[in-house]
Amino acid sequence: DVKVTQSSRYLVKRTGEKVFLECVQDMDHENMFWYRQDPGLGLRLIYFSYDVKMKEKGDIPEGYSVSREKKERFSLILESASTNQTSMYLCASSPPSQFTGFATNEKLFFGSGTQLSVL
Amino acid sequence: QKEVEQDPGPLSVPEGAIVSLNCTYSNSAFQYFMWYRQYSRKGPELLMYTYSSGNKEDGRFTAQVDKSSKYISLFIRDSQPSDSATYLCATLRGSEKLVFGKGTKLTVNP
Repeated sequence: DVKVTQSSRYLVKRTGEKVFLECVQDMDHENMFWYRQDPGLGLRLIYFSYDVKMKEKGDIPEGYSVSREKKERFSLILESASTNQTSMYLCASSPPSQFTGFATNEKLFFGSGTQLSVL
Repeated sequence: QKEVEQDPGPLSVPEGAIVSLNCTYSNSAFQYFMWYRQYSRKGPELLMYTYSSGNKEDGRFTAQVDKSSKYISLFIRDSQPSDSATYLCATLRGSEKLVFGKGTKLTVNP
């Protein structure tokens, strides 16, 4: 069965802390993504990666960075956590698109999410 | 204008009802459309996807795209309590990024 695993289900951090959210997929997918999900705002793309050591900014990259040293692992880093980063964080992976042949993401496989609270 | 607009509901229906979930989108260049289902405390999972206009059916689910009005719909026939979830519409922006609606929370009552 396809699996995207996020290291923590719940996380509580203090303002100013450096926070690492880890994500591992076992499907050998090239593409990996980090989203945050907030009530009333929906899912918003933070960063994505098409390959090892490659990263692209999504719609809301400010305050975040990412690392992809291995194909199966994609980490989201909050350099200095702030209260407005309290959110549900969802990692996803996908194979290349069957529509376009390009690396894209109409079929995303999501992890169960990490609920991060920054106090 | 938001790229994808979706009524957040919530929507509550009796078991066996036909459910209609809807989204509108702003960019006529969008061609690929998806519906994701998200159960409570889980990540979204892809339910259906369609290309351009027309209908696509999968069991009790039908996805419909009307490009002339920039309207996408998901119909659920004979709805079941297990269909209770949040349904997210999405479209592909360019060749890279999925843009999601905010989701509609559906409850099917036994």
